[in-house]
Amino acid sequence: DTAVSQTPKYLVTQMGNDKSIKCEQNLGHDTMYWYKQDSKKFLKIMFSYNNKELIINETVPNRFSPKSPDKAHLNLHINSLELGDSAVYFCASSLGRPSYNEQFFGPGTRLTVL
Amino acid sequence: KNEVEQSPQNLTAQEGEFITINCSYSVGISALHWLQQHPGGGIVSLFMLSSGKKKHGRLIATINIQEKHSSLHITASHPRDSAVYICAALSNFGNEKLTFGTGTRLTIIP
Repeated sequence: DTAVSQTPKYLVTQMGNDKSIKCEQNLGHDTMYWYKQDSKKFLKIMFSYNNKELIINETVPNRFSPKSPDKAHLNLHINSLELGDSAVYFCASSLGRPSYNEQFFGPGTRLTVL
Repeated sequence: KNEVEQSPQNLTAQEGEFITINCSYSVGISALHWLQQHPGGGIVSLFMLSSGKKKHGRLIATINIQEKHSSLHITASHPRDSAVYICAALSNFGNEKLTFGTGTRLTIIP
């Protein structure tokens, strides 16, 4: 069974569209994250939720909106997609605060904006 | 200048060689992570350490808090170790976010 799953794995869309990426973890973790990996393979934190509460919100355009309906899910909605949004987006989860335990990563969603 | 620097950026070695990847950071941290990104793109956490040394199989991670430096060692390297290795510093203030290094691409030749 997959510990941290993301859907879809690939997403190709036109500029200006709105899209969502879903993330689910079955590890019983209470902290979830979204990371962006750009074309140079550089990873950067976008958001983090602990017990459905937003704890990290980095300098991300407000076109990006995370939603955590429960502790096992953290979805990422992106409005008005731009070419620069093309990247691989990774979801991750951990038990407790980030400083307590290692993080488990999902397989990534490759977003291509045309 | 990135807050987390890794060296080397690329490393090619023969199977069986002892591998060392270095990570230096300039921020105060509560922990340092070592991650492995497979050629297929998946990311796996290898270690999380805040002091001393940890060992898992052929992998060893060390950290020197005073010098703000960590190393990842691989003994008896194997082609399946070929991957990108990423260190990430967990800040010790505020929101405890991870800041990532740029990664080291390791290629082990049979």
